[in-house]
Amino acid sequence: EIVLTQSPGTLSLSPGERATLSCRASQSVRNNYFAWYQQKPGQAPRLLIYDASSRVTGIPDRFSGGGSGTDFTLTISRLEPEDFAVYYCQQYGNSKTFGQGTKVEFK
Amino acid sequence: EVQLVQSGGGLVQPGGSLRLSCAASGFSFSTHWMSWVRQAPGKGLEWVANIKEDGSRQYYVHSVEGRFIISRDNAENSLYLQLNSLRAEDTAVYYCARDSLGYDFWGQGTQVTVSP
Repeated sequence: EIVLTQSPGTLSLSPGERATLSCRASQSVRNNYFAWYQQKPGQAPRLLIYDASSRVTGIPDRFSGGGSGTDFTLTISRLEPEDFAVYYCQQYGNSKTFGQGTKVEFK
Repeated sequence: EVQLVQSGGGLVQPGGSLRLSCAASGFSFSTHWMSWVRQAPGKGLEWVANIKEDGSRQYYVHSVEGRFIISRDNAENSLYLQLNSLRAEDTAVYYCARDSLGYDFWGQGTQVTVSP
């Protein structure tokens, strides 16, 4: 099983700031089959990025994904108030596993 | 519009059973893998099971193998999860999700609580 470790656990930032979230896999992710999700309280997760760097239609371009192999990042270029949420990474190259989440909170 | 509408769930005693359903609409259900994902209270997401387009292959997370059964009825555009021999640690919100490149559409979630 591929274990995904997200860092940091919590990110305290202000609107307008840049957020960089990391996710490290315990082994290389096949074909960079890697996704990022946003989840707000009481809601289902929402897919933001797939295949490591492809943005889902309708997701603002302030969200970008990068990385390959075992190290992946999600960057939010300028935080908007609605971006404060929990973010999960996921690999789907070898079965499916999620990271434990990073909470982006108001500073 | 793609929709996944869930039903089932509730409170059950340890060792009991439940069946979750997920009704799909707005897309060609029979051409997509489908998954169940759960989230324990205050915890992260955990993939539970998935099933091939035609139902011929199913995969499970180790902790539910032999207890849960994923199935589908393509004629009814429906996905199911039979939960047997339930344990306290199965308490979670269960989501169905369309299995594409990542999970691009999700159901609204249904609560399963295992308690005496």
